[in-house]
Amino acid sequence: GENVEQHPSTLSVQEGDSAVIKCTYSDSASNYFPWYKQELGKRPQLIIDIRSNVGEKKDQRIAVTLNKTAKHFSLHITETQPEDSAVYFCAGPRSGAGSYQLTFGKGTKLSVIP
Amino acid sequence: DAGVIQSPRHEVTEMGQEVTLRCKPISGHNSLFWYRQTMMRGLELLIYFNNNVPIDDSGMPEDRFSAKMPNASFSTLKIQPSEPRDSAVYFCASRWTGGGYQPQHFGDGTRLSIL
Repeated sequence: GENVEQHPSTLSVQEGDSAVIKCTYSDSASNYFPWYKQELGKRPQLIIDIRSNVGEKKDQRIAVTLNKTAKHFSLHITETQPEDSAVYFCAGPRSGAGSYQLTFGKGTKLSVIP
Repeated sequence: DAGVIQSPRHEVTEMGQEVTLRCKPISGHNSLFWYRQTMMRGLELLIYFNNNVPIDDSGMPEDRFSAKMPNASFSTLKIQPSEPRDSAVYFCASRWTGGGYQPQHFGDGTRLSIL
């Protein structure tokens, strides 16, 4: 199955700075990579996703980049705000399972310090 | 859109008791997933259904766990007998498999505590 490694496990940044979270995957056939944000006590919510036919996607202060050669994809949050504090999960499709199943990274706890 | 609906939100019970968690997927979604989330193991896929049929249950911890999806609008995850190590947050998620890659949408989860 797919292995998704996520780093770092914790990240603290000053408000206004940028935050970058990186994930690596092992299956070169993987082609869909969503990112989820989970606030304390709440459900994971999709914030952005990228298909393998593009290298970058942006949505306001959030962007995701994909490097298929190196098999890694990253989440970039610019001009961080306290409400960005949460746990962020990357995910990739499981090998041999089509696009139905996702394997999630272990999560990154982001703390934005006011 | 009501989203994925799970019940109960919280469940506290003694070990050995049967626990049943419920999920109503988003209307029109034809894939349903059960996850378990703990601090130690993160978010683990237990089982998923496609068009009400269980496709992969390799994540189900042991025979004490069972899941059913009798129709497109309802699924249950049952633990019998429950043990303290089953304490976790259980999430249900659903998606639509048509139209290319579609994301999974999560319910609010059931926080299960086995005493």
